[in-house]
Amino acid sequence: GENVEQHPSTLSVQEGDSAVIKCTYSDSASNYFPWYKQELGKRPQLIIDIRSNVGEKKDQRIAVTLNKTAKHFSLHITETQPEDSAVYFCAALNNFNKFYFGSGTKLNVKP
Amino acid sequence: GAVVSQHPSWVICKSGTSVKIECRSLDFQATTMFWYRQFPKQSLMLMATSNEGSKATYEQGVEKDKFLINHASLTLSTLTVTSAHPEDSSFYICSARDRVYEQYFGPGTRLTVT
Repeated sequence: GENVEQHPSTLSVQEGDSAVIKCTYSDSASNYFPWYKQELGKRPQLIIDIRSNVGEKKDQRIAVTLNKTAKHFSLHITETQPEDSAVYFCAALNNFNKFYFGSGTKLNVKP
Repeated sequence: GAVVSQHPSWVICKSGTSVKIECRSLDFQATTMFWYRQFPKQSLMLMATSNEGSKATYEQGVEKDKFLINHASLTLSTLTVTSAHPEDSSFYICSARDRVYEQYFGPGTRLTVT
């Protein structure tokens, strides 16, 4: 099955700085890579996603890059704000239409 | 966007009893629903995939006789935790897909078994 690894497990940045979270996946047939933000006790919320036919996607302060050859994808958050503090999960959709999640990154944005 | 509800939001039950959790897609038809389990400060672990009108497929290590899943209609899937034990205490989240890629999560159900 698919194996998704995520790093770092915790990330602390100063408000206004950038944050980068990286994920790798094992199944080369995986073709969709969403990122979720989860606040304590709440459901994961989709913040951005990328499909395998695209190398980069940007939505305001958030961007995702995908390197299919290396099988890794990254989340980039610029100009971080305290409200960006949460746990972020990457995921990969494999060819059996199942989602597999990374282990999560706790982002702390210090004001 | 698509809305998925879950009921109950939290439940406390005694060891040995069974608990049913409902997952509903409110404004779309979901041919596929997923059930996840999340322990504190950990990631979401896929338990099973639920397809309308057919048997659920379970991930390796998930006891199908303990976690009964029924996908009775295009808008409802249920997870029943049978003979619950304290180690079954967890946060259970469902999700539903209306298109090929995106999935929408329910708010989750916190189960505590005493």
